[in-house]
Amino acid sequence: ETGVTQTPRHLVMGMTNKKSLKCEQHLGHNAMYWYKQSAKKPLELMFVYNFKEQTENNSVPSRFSPECPNSSHLFLHLHTLQPEDSALYLCASSQAGTASLSGNTIYFGEGSWLTVV
Amino acid sequence: DAKTTQPTSMDCAEGRAANLPCNHSTISGNEYVYWYRQIHSQGPQYIIHGLKNNETNEMASLIITEDRKSSTLILPHATLRDTAVYYCIVRVGGQGAQKLVFGQGTRLTINP
Repeated sequence: ETGVTQTPRHLVMGMTNKKSLKCEQHLGHNAMYWYKQSAKKPLELMFVYNFKEQTENNSVPSRFSPECPNSSHLFLHLHTLQPEDSALYLCASSQAGTASLSGNTIYFGEGSWLTVV
Repeated sequence: DAKTTQPTSMDCAEGRAANLPCNHSTISGNEYVYWYRQIHSQGPQYIIHGLKNNETNEMASLIITEDRKSSTLILPHATLRDTAVYYCIVRVGGQGAQKLVFGQGTRLTINP
């Protein structure tokens, strides 16, 4: 248990469906991240949120729409996806905005396995 | 963030120490060395991190060379459950949302 919870763990959706992935962190962190891991590829950073504001979008297609209503919750809204979007989607969080140089460790959830059919 | 180089795969016998090397010759003075591992079908798990001193926790030890251009993660008594992909990452610490950039990592197999 890392303190970062992702739901659902598995999702199968059609290309015309609209679905959402949810992430909740119980660590009191203020930065949250979405990563994507396709088969046999390294993890790819998708989005970064810092204090609810999006600070990075790594050229992600608009069919992926993130939402961060507060520092504890992060959503990834999915619309008209393609089969090649099938992957493991990972949420992570960290404590940002401190002056400490000890590094702010990033903690990951267990991921949501997405299959687009 | 500085780039890291790790062997693609390694094997280790159960009960022995597993030593995983990482080269980060372009590391900057304010960049930390982080280690994560990913067991099949799970999210990456934080193991340990350090700046310039050696570090030890309940999971592993991290040995960083004096010039900081390389490091070694040591799992002192490897078990079958330590079979995973291990990632060495360098990143800047401090303020802001500091992202992690993952490479291919080292696939460690612990053999009975």
